[in-house]
Amino acid sequence: EAGVTQFPSHSVIEKGQTVTLRCDPISGHDNLYWYRRVMGKEIKFLLHFVKESKQDESGMPNNRFLAERTGGTYSTLKVQPAELEDSGVYFCASSQDLGQGDRTDTQYFGPGTRLTVL
Amino acid sequence: AQRVTQPEKLLSVFKGAPVELKCNYSYSGSPELFWYVQYSRQRLQLLLRHISRESIKGFTADLNKGETSFHLKKPFAQEEDSAMYYCALRLYGGSQGNLIFGKGTKLSVKP
Repeated sequence: EAGVTQFPSHSVIEKGQTVTLRCDPISGHDNLYWYRRVMGKEIKFLLHFVKESKQDESGMPNNRFLAERTGGTYSTLKVQPAELEDSGVYFCASSQDLGQGDRTDTQYFGPGTRLTVL
Repeated sequence: AQRVTQPEKLLSVFKGAPVELKCNYSYSGSPELFWYVQYSRQRLQLLLRHISRESIKGFTADLNKGETSFHLKKPFAQEEDSAMYYCALRLYGGSQGNLIFGKGTKLSVKP
């Protein structure tokens, strides 16, 4: 079974430019999460999709970040315009829905995308 | 606010020595606790979850609600245990599943 994949693995852009990160979850996983680790800080939650719907986007830092999951399969996270403080590693994770109210299964993580904004 | 604290940034032990990676959390409700591990050049992967109450790769962790702790222990460390270890908390209800991570502890097991 293929795991969660993310593209690109690295991205180096200049301040003000736009970058789009992609995540392909494990097939059949309705839940998709985006997390970010900024240098020296903990991994922080950004948002959560259930199929194509945004379940929780409370962790999104500001309106320069836009996440989509059209069709409920892969997801994209666009940063426009990028700022220096956006540098970090962006992780995607997916999990099954256990169908027990708010319980979800183990989250499986992708390898991450390292974003460097110069 | 909910928080996970891992007080040690780096823990260095010799092969065969016992190891304990500390994790404390702050949450007044019923938490679900996890340990994730990231080996060099590999992705973050689940090591343990408290509801499973199992031992993985010789590691165990017990949820202590009185002390709000979920320390990870192994009686005899191996060199291949060297990695970054993250303690994480998941809340029931509300956000439906997002994890709250500690800053991680880098475990170095020396030969």
